Amino acid sequence: SAVISQKPSRDICQRGTSLTIQCQVDSQVTMMFWYRQQPGQSLTLIATANQGSEATYESGFVIDKFPISRPNLTFSTLTVSNMSPEDSSIYLCSVEAGQGIGSGYTFGSGTRLTVV
Amino acid sequence: GEDVEQSLFLSVREGDSSVINCTYTDSSSTYLYWYKQEPGAGLQLLTYIFSNMDMKQDQRLTVLLNKKDKHLSLRIADTQTGDSAIYFCAETSSAGGYQKVTFGTGTKLQVIP
Repeated sequence: SAVISQKPSRDICQRGTSLTIQCQVDSQVTMMFWYRQQPGQSLTLIATANQGSEATYESGFVIDKFPISRPNLTFSTLTVSNMSPEDSSIYLCSVEAGQGIGSGYTFGSGTRLTVV
Repeated sequence: GEDVEQSLFLSVREGDSSVINCTYTDSSSTYLYWYKQEPGAGLQLLTYIFSNMDMKQDQRLTVLLNKKDKHLSLRIADTQTGDSAIYFCAETSSAGGYQKVTFGTGTKLQVIP
């Protein structure tokens, strides 16, 4: 199944700044997913990124706050812009693990973001 | 929208069986998954079940699905301390023409030696 390298693994950032998170997949994938996991919470889907088109954002998430790039079939970035302490979370990228949804989804190891 | 609920916490003794329960609301779910998240790590897919099955066994793991009641459970036999983690159930549905995964709230499993 697909293997994802996600970085940075953690960061502490000043409020008002931006952080870009990168995910590199070892195989070509059509869709990449970005999730947020707030402290003690489940995963919430931020957006779905297809190569060559604009990302599709879920309710409550906007492109100005979470711009996403998807320059090719193996790479994507998520930027958390103009950060505030409320953005402190774990951010994870995900792709389909193999052929079809029955194979589940593979996740990156996550980026633990703390905004001070 | 879709909703997936789990109990927040479960404590078992090492060697006992653990049963983690999950309920969901989306009757159009196709696949249901169980993921494990260890501290400071991403999510690891443990197992999945297709919506037309009612049971799946994989070594120490048994998944039971009651589609009528929209209830999913994960049984871990002979629970070990290494099983201590947060377990998420998740379901997929086709919403707006694309696949979407909805995760449960997570159940923290504590295994007591």
